[in-house]
Amino acid sequence: QKEVEQNSGPLSVPEGAIASLNCTYSDRGSQSFFWYRQYSGKSPELIMSIYSNGDKEDGRFTAQLNKASQYVSLLIRDSQPSDSATYLCAVWGWGKLQFGAGTQVVVTP
Amino acid sequence: ETGVTQSPTHLIKTRGQQVTLRCSSQSGHNTVSWYQQALGQGPQFIFQYYREEENGRGNFPPRFSGLQFPNYSSELNVNALELDDSALYLCASSREGSEPQHFGDGTRLSIL
Repeated sequence: QKEVEQNSGPLSVPEGAIASLNCTYSDRGSQSFFWYRQYSGKSPELIMSIYSNGDKEDGRFTAQLNKASQYVSLLIRDSQPSDSATYLCAVWGWGKLQFGAGTQVVVTP
Repeated sequence: ETGVTQSPTHLIKTRGQQVTLRCSSQSGHNTVSWYQQALGQGPQFIFQYYREEENGRGNFPPRFSGLQFPNYSSELNVNALELDDSALYLCASSREGSEPQHFGDGTRLSIL
């Protein structure tokens, strides 16, 4: 079992719609949770961090964390073609940051 | 504010050789982590340095080693290169390990 799991996609989303990305993790002791965006051939770019249960909003992005269910999600509202990228879920615990394999999002005009 | 910088951008080596990759952390950051990202995969944690000491390591063999210098810059050394070492090597810095990490542009290493 992978420690951080994401659907690989691709997730096809019409322009203007909401993209919903999911991530589960195996270590209950995990403390910090992050979403990164990675364009093809580029390095990961931090878009959200969340540390406690509930929702956190930043512009068009909302991160949701449920530690009891070991689940973290990312919503992208009003999706734009520039949001087409791979989204990486990352979980911090026991001295290391572990990444999922990423979900590819394709926003179609 | 200066971001994370890595050098070189690209590198081609042959099996059995040794390589050194370099990273300058973002100003104000004292923690540096290194990752290996194979094509189509998420970054895999290699190790982390905090104030010049290694304080966390992933499942990588001892031929992957590193250093952190007093100015918090860092090196990743890989000995006895293997074909499977071909990947994008990413450096990230943060104020502390649990805080958000910011990545450099990476070094793409190709092993022939």
